[in-house]
Amino acid sequence: DGGITQSPKYLFRKEGQNVTLSCEQNLNHDAMYWYRQDPGQGLRLIYYSQIVNDFQKGDIAEGYSVSREKKESFPLTVTSAQKNPTAFYLCASSIGGNGNEQFFGPGTRLTVL
Amino acid sequence: DAKTTQPTSMDCAEGRAANLPCNHSTISGNEYVYWYRQIHSQGPQYIIHGLKNNETNEMASLIITEDRKSSTLILPHATLRDTAVYYCIVRAPNTGNQFYFGTGTSLTVIP
Repeated sequence: DGGITQSPKYLFRKEGQNVTLSCEQNLNHDAMYWYRQDPGQGLRLIYYSQIVNDFQKGDIAEGYSVSREKKESFPLTVTSAQKNPTAFYLCASSIGGNGNEQFFGPGTRLTVL
Repeated sequence: DAKTTQPTSMDCAEGRAANLPCNHSTISGNEYVYWYRQIHSQGPQYIIHGLKNNETNEMASLIITEDRKSSTLILPHATLRDTAVYYCIVRAPNTGNQFYFGTGTSLTVIP
């Protein structure tokens, strides 16, 4: 089946540790995105990538880093510099980066203790 | 991208049509109207989108007013599994790479 996978579903980390969230897609989509969602709020864009080896900051990139070495994969690292890392993280992809609907993964809920 | 206004919450009886309104009075001529929904603790799911004409697919219908300042998403026969937060988003192509999700409408389908 084609789709977007994120793992793990739930993740716990101690404060001060870096953690990497996985996002994989087999839809052959060029563009991939990372969003953050806090309780009762909408989604906010962290980073996006329109093509392999290229990515751009979104509205809240501070404290996060990404890489796009392969078309299928767009991992997100939450660094210790992110002041409020506990949130629901969503990965998405689209055929192209301009106006095409985005397809979302199931999300990873990160809790920093 | 144009701002949208949606009611915070709505209820709908199971089996009845759910009509979710969205105001986008500042929409530009090249902006599309998209609808997504998010079931609790899952990723958002694309439902439908349109520019001017009404659209229908297997999930829902989208009715856009003639002046394009508002739209309505219609779920023709709501089921309990349609309980979710519904997001209305307006967006122009080639203007960036994100969808601006607001707080949406929390729809509760009642048995």
